[in-house]
Amino acid sequence: DAKTTQPPSMDCAEGRAANLPCNHSTISGNEYVYWYRQIHSQGPQYIIHGLKNNETNEMASLIITEDRKSSTLILPHATLRDTAVYYCIVRVWSSGSARQLTFGSGTQLTVLP
Amino acid sequence: NAGVTQTPKFQVLKTGQSMTLQCAQDMNHEYMSWYRQDPGMGLRLIHYSVGAGITDQGEVPNGYNVSRSTTEDFPLRLLSAAPSQTSVYFCATERGAHEQYFGPGTRLTVT
Repeated sequence: DAKTTQPPSMDCAEGRAANLPCNHSTISGNEYVYWYRQIHSQGPQYIIHGLKNNETNEMASLIITEDRKSSTLILPHATLRDTAVYYCIVRVWSSGSARQLTFGSGTQLTVLP
Repeated sequence: NAGVTQTPKFQVLKTGQSMTLQCAQDMNHEYMSWYRQDPGMGLRLIHYSVGAGITDQGEVPNGYNVSRSTTEDFPLRLLSAAPSQTSVYFCATERGAHEQYFGPGTRLTVT
């Protein structure tokens, strides 16, 4: 699976959009981009995933560049409860495989009141 | 709908003891897995199962056994606990494709 690079930490004001970048310059054509977050001491939580197109769900939006070498997770209106470590993961999905998620060091997002 | 449940939440073992970490899900997901999370190491895959009766090893399987007799349950057995197995253990399931659900974790200390 391709490696990802994320800034170690970011701050965001409550109510503002949080834009979390991820670099995955070695991504291959069949690899998906996933975002998970982990709020202190809890299990990781799925946020969103995408292959080529931008995606949006009730939690966030995922913007993938045309060359797929980077992506941005957008939390449109950050709240204090969004303070967490955010992980960008690149992975091939296969029905019969281990489907391992390789969590790097992630970005610690702190939402400030 | 409880999602993924794990018991116990906390456990302290002495070196050499054995125990079973329980994981149960009520979402009828075929895929289940176990990860461990150590400080500064991220999550590492221990074992996984793509359905009842089918299990396989992940990245760090040594010292652990699993079985999958039902869709709902995927217990993780520590055969002879060692201090190196002190960690937080997470069970996860996957819905169809892509989206994995994690349990709340079991915090294990081996002295």
